[in-house]
Amino acid sequence: RKEVEQDPGPFNVPEGATVAFNCTYSNSASQSFFWYRQDCRKEPKLLMSVYSSGNEDGRFTAQLNRASQYISLLIRDSKLSDSATYLCVVNPGTASKLTFGTGTRLQVTL
Amino acid sequence: EAQVTQNPRYLITVTGKKLTVTCSQNMNHEYMSWYRQDPGLGLRQIYYSMNVEVTDKGDVPEGYKVSRKEKRNFPLILESPSPNQTSLYFCASRQVGSYEQYFGPGTRLTVT
Repeated sequence: RKEVEQDPGPFNVPEGATVAFNCTYSNSASQSFFWYRQDCRKEPKLLMSVYSSGNEDGRFTAQLNRASQYISLLIRDSKLSDSATYLCVVNPGTASKLTFGTGTRLQVTL
Repeated sequence: EAQVTQNPRYLITVTGKKLTVTCSQNMNHEYMSWYRQDPGLGLRQIYYSMNVEVTDKGDVPEGYKVSRKEKRNFPLILESPSPNQTSLYFCASRQVGSYEQYFGPGTRLTVT
């Protein structure tokens, strides 16, 4: 089983739609969780951290479910500019390491 | 401007010809690492460094070397490149204690 698993997509949604991605992780000792965004052929950039209580940043909401070992990202009112690959990232409990999922591709269309 | 730079951005080379990809950051970060990204496999860590003269293997270190003689620089060395090292390479840095990683723009390497 992969350490971090994501549905590769693509998720094709119309502008204005709400879309949600899930990501599962295998190591129950994992401590920190993040969503990164990667535009085509560009470097990944931190989108948001994921806190136990859930957190929101504008149209983006991240949730953590430790019991079921998954995190989620909800995007409301999708924009064309949201089209990208969203990477789920987990710190498995060692200070040095971040484990990246393979990403979920989102395509927002007119 | 806070940034991580990598050079070259694109490189086509032949099997066995030693090459170095440079990485430099201007944020005084202690932690630096190298990743490779391949379709369907995601980002995999090659090597990392917690500080000057401290380096360690990541998940896929075979065929690579690194050095950390200065805090700002973390070059990736391929002593004898092979076609299976054709990939997109990213350098990244962050503060120890933070998990916000800053990535360089990537180096697309093709080994023929």
